[in-house]
Amino acid sequence: DAGITQSPRYKITETGRQVTLMCHQTWSHSYMFWYRQDLGHGLRLIYYSAAADITDKGEVPDGYVVSRSKTENFPLTLESATRSQTSVYFCASSEIVSNSPLHFGNGTRLTVT
Amino acid sequence: DAKTTQPNSMESNEEEPVHLPCNHSTISGTDYIHWYRQLPSQGPEYVIHGLTSNVNNRMASLAIAEDRKSSTLILHRATLRDAAVYYCILRARNTGGFKTIFGAGTRLFVKA
Repeated sequence: DAGITQSPRYKITETGRQVTLMCHQTWSHSYMFWYRQDLGHGLRLIYYSAAADITDKGEVPDGYVVSRSKTENFPLTLESATRSQTSVYFCASSEIVSNSPLHFGNGTRLTVT
Repeated sequence: DAKTTQPNSMESNEEEPVHLPCNHSTISGTDYIHWYRQLPSQGPEYVIHGLTSNVNNRMASLAIAEDRKSSTLILHRATLRDAAVYYCILRARNTGGFKTIFGAGTRLFVKA
C-alpha cells in the first residue's frame, strides 16, 4: 500500500545509547521531514531533506543526525540519547511544490530512561 | 520564515459551525496557506490549502482575506470527531527550501 511508515512504533532506550528511527515513503516524494512533539506542545522541525543526499537543519537539530541515501528512506539517529529527547517523532513527506500537502506517518513514541 | 498566529483553544457546540482563525501578517505572495489537524494519538492530517481564493472540500472550507494576512478554516457542522488540534502553516520555497514550520495550533473542544 502506498503511504509513509515509521518504525518502530514504540521504543524505550537508555541514556547514552544510539537509536535510529526509520521512515519509509512509497510516493517518491522529493521532500521529507522529521518533527518532534513533546507532550502538550506543537510540532518542532528537526531536519528536512529536499532530495537524496540533500539535508538541512530545522529548528531543533542538536543531538540528531539524518541521512538520505535513497529517496524513499529518511532515518533519524540519536547518537547518544538524552532524557530530553523523550518525545513523539513524526516523519512527513511532500512533493516539491508549495501547494503540495504534507503526508505524515503515525509517529514513533521514544522514551529515554 | 513567515509565521502564523492562532488562538490556543476554542470551543464549539456539536452540529454548529466553527470558524478557526489564523493570522499571517508577514505572508509573501508565493506562500500557500495550509491547514492540518491532529486527532489524539495520531499524526497530523491534511485538511485544506489555498493561495488567494476561498476553497472548499469535503472536510472544510478555507476563507482567505483579500490582503491574505489572515485566513479562517470553517467546519460547517462540528462533530465530536472534529475535536483536535488545528494547525495553520505557510508553505513556499525560500532559500532554505520548503522548511515548513508548525506553530502551536488551536485546540478545538466540541461539546455534545
